[in-house]
Amino acid sequence: IAGITQAPTSQILAAGRRMTLRCTQDMRHNAMYWYRQDLGLGLRLIHYSNTAGTTGKGEVPDGYSVSRANTDDFPLTLASAVPSQTSVYFCASSEQGGEDTEAFFGQGTRLTVV
Amino acid sequence: GQNIDQPTEMTATEGAIVQINCTYQTSGFNGLFWYQQHAGEAPTFLSYNVLDGLEEKGRFSSFLSRSKGYSYLLLKELQMKDSASYLCAVKNSNYQLIWGAGTKLIIKP
Repeated sequence: IAGITQAPTSQILAAGRRMTLRCTQDMRHNAMYWYRQDLGLGLRLIHYSNTAGTTGKGEVPDGYSVSRANTDDFPLTLASAVPSQTSVYFCASSEQGGEDTEAFFGQGTRLTVV
Repeated sequence: GQNIDQPTEMTATEGAIVQINCTYQTSGFNGLFWYQQHAGEAPTFLSYNVLDGLEEKGRFSSFLSRSKGYSYLLLKELQMKDSASYLCAVKNSNYQLIWGAGTKLIIKP
């Protein structure tokens, strides 16, 4: 089934540890995104990539890094996790970054930093 | 700044009609999206508006007024499965989506 897959589904992480959240899509979409979703707040963009080989910073990029070595994969790395990074993380993709293209979301990764 | 405002929570009765409002202030406008998100799940696309007016899709309709910075999502013949959060999002001049916090819709029998 075509779609977008995230791993792990959930994780409890000790503060100070490094963690990579994985995201893979098989729809050959050019654009990919990482969001975090916190209670009472809208989805906030962390990083994005409009095409393989390029990345950009979103609204809340500090403490996170991404890479886009190929079309399908867009991992998100927390270099040294802090409790404020406890959140639900969604990866999304769209055909392109233009006006009317809808975004497709992965099932989310629930991360708790203790 | 950029912001999207939606009511936090609404309650409606099965079989009835409900209207969820969204007002926005963004740097530029390149379309408005509505997504549905059931608890513990990913958001899924419902509708897209870029021109003023009403877009109808089955039981769901979405309206846009660009001059007023206003949209609404209209849900008819409500079913229990419509209990979810409804997210309003606007693409700004940089084609980045700015998201509202979502409206939690509770359907009662």
